[in-house]
Amino acid sequence: RKEVEQDPGPFNVPEGATVAFNCTYSNSASQSFFWYRQDCRKEPKLLMSVYSSGNEDGRFTAQLNRASQYISLLIRDSKLSDSATYLCVVSTNAGKSTFGDGTTLTVKP
Amino acid sequence: ETGVTQTPRHLVMGMTNKKSLKCEQHLGHNAMYWYKQSAKKPLELMFVYNFKEQTENNSVPSRFSPECPNSSHLFLHLHTLQPEDSALYLCASSQDPTVSEKLFFGSGTQLSVL
Repeated sequence: RKEVEQDPGPFNVPEGATVAFNCTYSNSASQSFFWYRQDCRKEPKLLMSVYSSGNEDGRFTAQLNRASQYISLLIRDSKLSDSATYLCVVSTNAGKSTFGDGTTLTVKP
Repeated sequence: ETGVTQTPRHLVMGMTNKKSLKCEQHLGHNAMYWYKQSAKKPLELMFVYNFKEQTENNSVPSRFSPECPNSSHLFLHLHTLQPEDSALYLCASSQDPTVSEKLFFGSGTQLSVL
């Protein structure tokens, strides 16, 4: 079993749609959780950290459920520019980050 | 953004060549990392340096040799690579690797081994 598992995707949605990505992790000692965005042939960039209380940044909402070891990312009102691969990242308190395979989103006009 | 810069952006090398990848971070971070991203695979951690001391070697073959002369610079020396080593090599930095923090990545070196 992979340490971090994401929805395999790809997701193809029309502009304005709401889309949700799911991620599960196996290491119960994990301390920090992040969503990164990676555009084609570019480096990953931090999209947002994920907190137990949930957090929102504009159209993006991240949720963490420690009991279920589950993380989610919700994107509302999708834009063409949201097309990218979204990476779920889980870190231990030793600072070791494990990346999921990524979920590819394509937003179409 | 120029927080973490990597050179070269692209590299093509034969299996008998020796080359080096360079990474420099301008963020005042204490930790630097090398990651490998192969096609259709997740990012794989290769090496971690904390205050220029290597703290993690993730079972990387000896044909990859890292060097960290100071907290701002990181190199990856390559020799006698195999075609399966073709991948995107990403350098990253963070303030403190003992704390679970966000990573700042360079733009990567796309390596092709012929």
